[in-house]
Amino acid sequence: DTGVSQDPRHKITKRGQNVTFRCDPISEHNRLYWYRQTLGQGPEFLTYFQNEAQLEKSRLLSDRFSAERPKGSFSTLEIQRTEQGDSAMYLCASSHLDRNTGELFFGEGSRLTVL
Amino acid sequence: AQKVTQAQTEISVVEKEDVTLDCVYETRDTTYYLFWYKQPPSGELVFLIRRNSFDEQNEISGRYSWNFQKSTSSFNFTITASQVVDSAVYFCALSSYNTDKLIFGTGTRLQVFP
Repeated sequence: DTGVSQDPRHKITKRGQNVTFRCDPISEHNRLYWYRQTLGQGPEFLTYFQNEAQLEKSRLLSDRFSAERPKGSFSTLEIQRTEQGDSAMYLCASSHLDRNTGELFFGEGSRLTVL
Repeated sequence: AQKVTQAQTEISVVEKEDVTLDCVYETRDTTYYLFWYKQPPSGELVFLIRRNSFDEQNEISGRYSWNFQKSTSSFNFTITASQVVDSAVYFCALSSYNTDKLIFGTGTRLQVFP
């Protein structure tokens, strides 16, 4: 499978715990995005990377959220001291800067439930 | 500020009916892109189309067609002869010209019954 993969697909945690999600983009894609989607809403942009550089962060991304893409390949999104309001689907997407099609390739998401 | 409005929360049709999903957008950019994505029950968003703000030609791809009208800031999506497999949530989205960051609408859930 050469699509975008995310792990874990589901995570249930207690309030206050830390969680980490991993995204493996399509191998030749140099841009990687994180979005958050709550029930009944469209995805909301969180942050994106071009290679290993984090180029933009949404104001939605509080200090408890941190994302990395250390070698310009996979990325991790960590949420510290989770709150019930963090419960959502976390979507990762990738694209190739030079192909200019505008298409983002999305993974199936990581669903977080904070009890 | 950029905004995408999909006023139709849910639409139900019977197979073979035509259905139009509405999308209205707001942007101060003179150059921008509009998109439609499909989200089936599996959850993975699937790209359907991108339209450049300079290109107001309607587009047809099989049973799908898109009507872009800059004068009304609308980018509507029509499925002709709908099928059960078209059942999904459809999102309209907007981006500025110089970024891939997408601003999504709230989506329209389409249910096609046999």
